[in-house]
Amino acid sequence: DSGVTQTPKHLITATGQRVTLRCSPRSGDLSVYWYQQSLDQGLQFLIQYYNGEERAKGNILERFSAQQFPDLHSELNLSSLELGDSALYFCASSTLGRRAAVEQFFGPGTRLTVL
Amino acid sequence: DAKTTQPPSMDCAEGRAANLPCNHSTISGNEYVYWYRQIHSQGPQYIIHGLKNNETNEMASLIITEDRKSSTLILPHATLRDTAVYYCIAYFGNEKLTFGTGTRLTIIP
Repeated sequence: DSGVTQTPKHLITATGQRVTLRCSPRSGDLSVYWYQQSLDQGLQFLIQYYNGEERAKGNILERFSAQQFPDLHSELNLSSLELGDSALYFCASSTLGRRAAVEQFFGPGTRLTVL
Repeated sequence: DAKTTQPPSMDCAEGRAANLPCNHSTISGNEYVYWYRQIHSQGPQYIIHGLKNNETNEMASLIITEDRKSSTLILPHATLRDTAVYYCIAYFGNEKLTFGTGTRLTIIP
């Protein structure tokens, strides 16, 4: 158990719909990352938040958005869903401190199926 | 991030040491070598990381060549539960991880 929790575990929805994925980081971790894993693309970084502020952006579509709340949990919002958005979505957290490099701890993921 | 190259797949007999190689010939001086693994569709799991020196923890050992252009992850006594995709990542730290295709390690009973 990494200490990172994600809900829901599975989500089945239809094209054109909007969903919200939730992530609670490990206690004390200020940084949250979102990754997408699809069969043809592998694990891809989407976006990073640090203490409520967006810190880095990857290959995140304009239809997707995220935020990190004051209690440090994060939500990933996916809208106007397409079949190709079907994937595993992972959240990871890390603590940024004086150490030069810190490991990321991943949650169990949310499997999104768009029909 | 520096590009890493790993063999697509490897087999290892249960109980033997699994040695997973990784080439990172363009790694910069302040990039670390990180190893993660992903068991089936679970979230990636951190294994170990190092900068210059060899490292060991309860899961594995990491051997980095003196020129830092390659490294080897060693699982000393592989078990069936070590069957997974192993990712070698050159990483500055505190930023996004760039996953390649990794090595699919199969532990054979």
